[in-house]
Amino acid sequence: RKEVEQDPGPFNVPEGATVAFNCTYSNSASQSFFWYRQDCRKEPKLLMSVYSSGNEDGRFTAQLNRASQYISLLIRDSKLSDSATYLCVVIVYNFNKFYFGSGTKLNVKP
Amino acid sequence: DGGITQSPKYLFRKEGQNVTLSCEQNLNHDAMYWYRQDPGQGLRLIYYSQIVNDFQKGDIAEGYSVSREKKESFPLTVTSAQKNPTAFYLCASSTARAYGYTFGSGTRLTVV
Repeated sequence: RKEVEQDPGPFNVPEGATVAFNCTYSNSASQSFFWYRQDCRKEPKLLMSVYSSGNEDGRFTAQLNRASQYISLLIRDSKLSDSATYLCVVIVYNFNKFYFGSGTKLNVKP
Repeated sequence: DGGITQSPKYLFRKEGQNVTLSCEQNLNHDAMYWYRQDPGQGLRLIYYSQIVNDFQKGDIAEGYSVSREKKESFPLTVTSAQKNPTAFYLCASSTARAYGYTFGSGTRLTVV
């Protein structure tokens, strides 16, 4: 079983739609969680951290569910510029392990 | 501005050649990492280093070698033993507590 699993998509949505991605992780000792965005043929860039209480940054909301071992990313009012691949990252400090999901591709269409 | 610089951006290698990819950071980060990404795939860890003069193999280290002689630098050599080296190579760094990675802009290696 992979340490981190994501639905690869693609998610094809119209502009203005709300879309949500989930990422499940298998190691219950996981301590830090992040969402990264990767544009085609570019490096991943940090989108936002994920806190236990949930956090919001504009149209983006990230949530963590430790009991069910998943994190989520919600994008409201999708823009064409949101089209990218979204990677989740899970860190287990005790073992200095960093686990990347394989990414979920989002296509926002006019 | 602090950041990570990878060079070259594009690299072409002939069969049987060794090539070295450069990665330099001025973020004063302790840890550095090399990842490989194939089209439509996730990131796979090649090597990582948490302190100078020390490094560990990742999940796909065969056919690669690294060194960490300076905190700022973590070059990756793709040897002729790597049978399928064509890929996008990403270098990253983080603080000791790894509060998020910073990535370089990547090197796209093609075997010709």
